Amino acid sequence: DAKTTQPNSMESNEEEPVHLPCNHSTISGTDYIHWYRQLPSQGPEYVIHGLTSNVNNRMASLAIAEDRKSSTLILHRATLRDAAVYYCILRDVASNTGKLIFGQGTTLQVKP
Amino acid sequence: NAGVTQTPKFQVLKTGQSMTLQCAQDMNHNSMYWYRQDPGMGLRLIYYSASEGTTDKGEVPNGYNVSRLNKREFSLRLESAAPSQTSVYFCASSEAGADLSNYGYTFGSGTRLTVV
Repeated sequence: DAKTTQPNSMESNEEEPVHLPCNHSTISGTDYIHWYRQLPSQGPEYVIHGLTSNVNNRMASLAIAEDRKSSTLILHRATLRDAAVYYCILRDVASNTGKLIFGQGTTLQVKP
Repeated sequence: NAGVTQTPKFQVLKTGQSMTLQCAQDMNHNSMYWYRQDPGMGLRLIYYSASEGTTDKGEVPNGYNVSRLNKREFSLRLESAAPSQTSVYFCASSEAGADLSNYGYTFGSGTRLTVV
């Protein structure tokens, strides 16, 4: 499974945009980029995923580099409830198991 | 509410005791997974079931067994609990299809297990 690299922690101010980076230099052509987040004392929650094109949903935006070796999760206006651990994960479409392998993630702190 | 239900939410076991963690989903998903999360760590995959009737080992399967009872239910059994199995256990499910990577997971709220 291809691996991802994320900063251990980041800080943001409330109501400001947050850009969470992820490097995946060994990504293969069949890997989708998935993002999950885990709020304190809860199970992980799906945020967004993409393959090549940038993606938007009600929670966030995903910007994917042209060479696909990096991506950025964008929270447009951080709130205190966005404080969580954010995981960037590659999921191989060529595998028939669909399993997710989690890394350490980025702990996001949001200051009021 | 639709989702993944795990029972129990909390459990304390003595070393050597056995127990089964239960997981059920009502979203008609084909694939189900068991993860463990140790303090300050990411999730590690224990076992998974890509479809009803199949199970496979994940990253850390030693000390555990699983049963995919039917499409809805996927249980995790600790035959002889050890302190190293103290952790939070999460069950998850996802849709499956020709393009498995294109589907998100839904996680349960977790079972906090302490082995003394």
